[in-house]
Amino acid sequence: EPEVTQTPSHQVTQMGQEVILRCVPISNHLYFYWYRQILGQKVEFLVSFYNNEISEKSEIFDDQFSVERPDGSNFTLKIRSTKLEDSAMYFCASSGGLAGELFFGEGSRLTVL
Amino acid sequence: AQSVTQPDIHITVSEGASLELRCNYSYGATPYLFWYVQSPGQGLQLLLKYFSGDTLVQGIKGFEAEFKRSQSSFNLRKPSVHWSDAAEYFCAVGSGNTPLVFGKGTRLSVIA
Repeated sequence: EPEVTQTPSHQVTQMGQEVILRCVPISNHLYFYWYRQILGQKVEFLVSFYNNEISEKSEIFDDQFSVERPDGSNFTLKIRSTKLEDSAMYFCASSGGLAGELFFGEGSRLTVL
Repeated sequence: AQSVTQPDIHITVSEGASLELRCNYSYGATPYLFWYVQSPGQGLQLLLKYFSGDTLVQGIKGFEAEFKRSQSSFNLRKPSVHWSDAAEYFCAVGSGNTPLVFGKGTRLSVIA
């Protein structure tokens, strides 16, 4: 069964460092998403991406965040200068259609010290 | 703005007992409704979804949910819980052109 894969599974970084989280969506999907979940809190939408551009983003997704689809398979989330409050589980998801089911990866846990 | 409320933070049920997890939503248009499950250390897995049609939807692992427009609810049910059902359950709402909005989740514990 096709799945969304994310790397790394866990990353520890120092405050102020840049972090790149990587995702390989399901191959024939067209819509890509990043969500995050701070420990003990709900899953929050960050950004959606379609046709090589951001289609929607939340208030959380400020100038410190960026997304990119550098090739035909990867979808990355970059945090330029991490803050303590960026510590969370980051989930990538993809969908075959705008209203379709979202398939989630297992998440990348980011710990900022 | 759309929102999802899961009133129960943590529920404990005995194995074999029935289960109902509550979900209420606020949404301006006809919603698409989802239930996802998250086992410890895992990603989110779709249990079931409602787009239109029959308001009682069947999902995987023996789960079902009923959409009640008059109550703005989409409660998740299972007639007999198994120990492997212990996990975090998230209700989510969306539409054809908006990202999913998740509730805060309900943690289910199953005791013998």
